[in-house]
Amino acid sequence: QKEVEQNSGPLSVPEGAIASLNCTYSDRVSQSFFWYRQYSGKSPELIMSIYSNGDKEDGRFTAQLNKASQYVSLLIRDSQPSDSATYLCAVTRGMDSNYQLIWGAGTKLIIKP
Amino acid sequence: DVKVTQSSRYLVKRTGEKVFLECVQDMDHENMFWYRQDPGLGLRLIYFSYDVKMKEKGDIPEGYSVSREKKERFSLILESASTNQTSMYLCASSYTVSGQGEKDTQYFGPGTRLTVL
Repeated sequence: QKEVEQNSGPLSVPEGAIASLNCTYSDRVSQSFFWYRQYSGKSPELIMSIYSNGDKEDGRFTAQLNKASQYVSLLIRDSQPSDSATYLCAVTRGMDSNYQLIWGAGTKLIIKP
Repeated sequence: DVKVTQSSRYLVKRTGEKVFLECVQDMDHENMFWYRQDPGLGLRLIYFSYDVKMKEKGDIPEGYSVSREKKERFSLILESASTNQTSMYLCASSYTVSGQGEKDTQYFGPGTRLTVL
């Protein structure tokens, strides 16, 4: 079992609709969770971070965390063609591993005009 | 804004060559990281450094070494490049590595696409 799992996609969503990206993780001690966006040929850039159970909203983006189910998701409302990218989920390891990030392989999102 | 720069965007080397990849950050971050990214595998940590002259192995350190002589600069060295080291190399930095909080956010450089022939 991978430590951080994401559906590789591609996930195709019509413009204006809600895109829902999911991530599951295996380490129960993980405390911090990050969503990064990566355009083709570019480096990852932070979209959102979340540390507590529940929802966190920032503009069109909402991150959702459920530590009991070991599940974190990213919702993108009013999807735009510019949202087409690969979305990476990253989760911190525990203290024994120096709190390093473990990365999912990413979900490719395509927004259809 | 945090700025992380890497010495080259594209690099082509021959098998057996010694390769240096350099990374510089301008935000006085304590922590710096080297990852490689391969299709379908995500980012894999090669080495990280939490202070000048301090380093820790990541998940895939074999065939690599690092150097951090100044706080802002972190170098990745491929002692004898091999074709299986053809990859995208990404440098990142963060203020803290605490397992909690915004200051753990990692900021990435533009990446170096290395091809070993």
